Amino acid sequence: AQSVTQLGSHVSVSEGALVLLRCNYSSSVPPYLFWYVQYPNQGLQLLLKYTSAATLVKGINGFEAEFKKSETSFHLTKPSAHMSDAAEYFCAVINNNAGNMLTFGGGTRLMVKP
Amino acid sequence: ETGVTQSPTHLIKTRGQQVTLRCSSQSGHNTVSWYQQALGQGPQFIFQYYREEENGRGNFPPRFSGLQFPNYSSELNVNALELDDSALYLCASSLESGSPSDTQYFGPGTRLTVL
Repeated sequence: AQSVTQLGSHVSVSEGALVLLRCNYSSSVPPYLFWYVQYPNQGLQLLLKYTSAATLVKGINGFEAEFKKSETSFHLTKPSAHMSDAAEYFCAVINNNAGNMLTFGGGTRLMVKP
Repeated sequence: ETGVTQSPTHLIKTRGQQVTLRCSSQSGHNTVSWYQQALGQGPQFIFQYYREEENGRGNFPPRFSGLQFPNYSSELNVNALELDDSALYLCASSLESGSPSDTQYFGPGTRLTVL
């Protein structure tokens, strides 16, 4: 079954600094990968998804992620952090063994310092 | 704004009770999935419904059950509540069940506390 691992449960950056949130996947088939963001007391919002087209995927709010098959990674980046980026970020993979369910990583809490 | 709504926002129950959570999907979305998110963890898949039939199930016991209605609404029912059922319950709707690339749109969730 497909799975994802997020390295670092907490990441702290200064405003204006590069954001890098790490995600590695495990899959025996070409994966469909997603990044979601969750603001406090809210549901999940899709940032971007990889569906085997371009390996560099651009999402909302200036985020992007690059699919690297050789490294089994799908890291999320943003060139310049903004205070409003502070949230919980989840990497997920589609597991189509059970109705296309999303399997999520444990999440990374991003903190942005002024 | 995803167009997916859930009710109630918060709920407090006692151990052994039963609870029903509700979700209203985006119009035209034939698939609804339910997830449980314990505090500090990623969401875990409970089950998925497609055109009113269960289409997949995660590692949850039978006391977790669901219904999907023709008007794009759905329910999650949990019987014999346990303390570990305390969590944020999220529903997500998508257009069709068959496409793994189809985006799942999440509602804001229902926070269930079991005392």
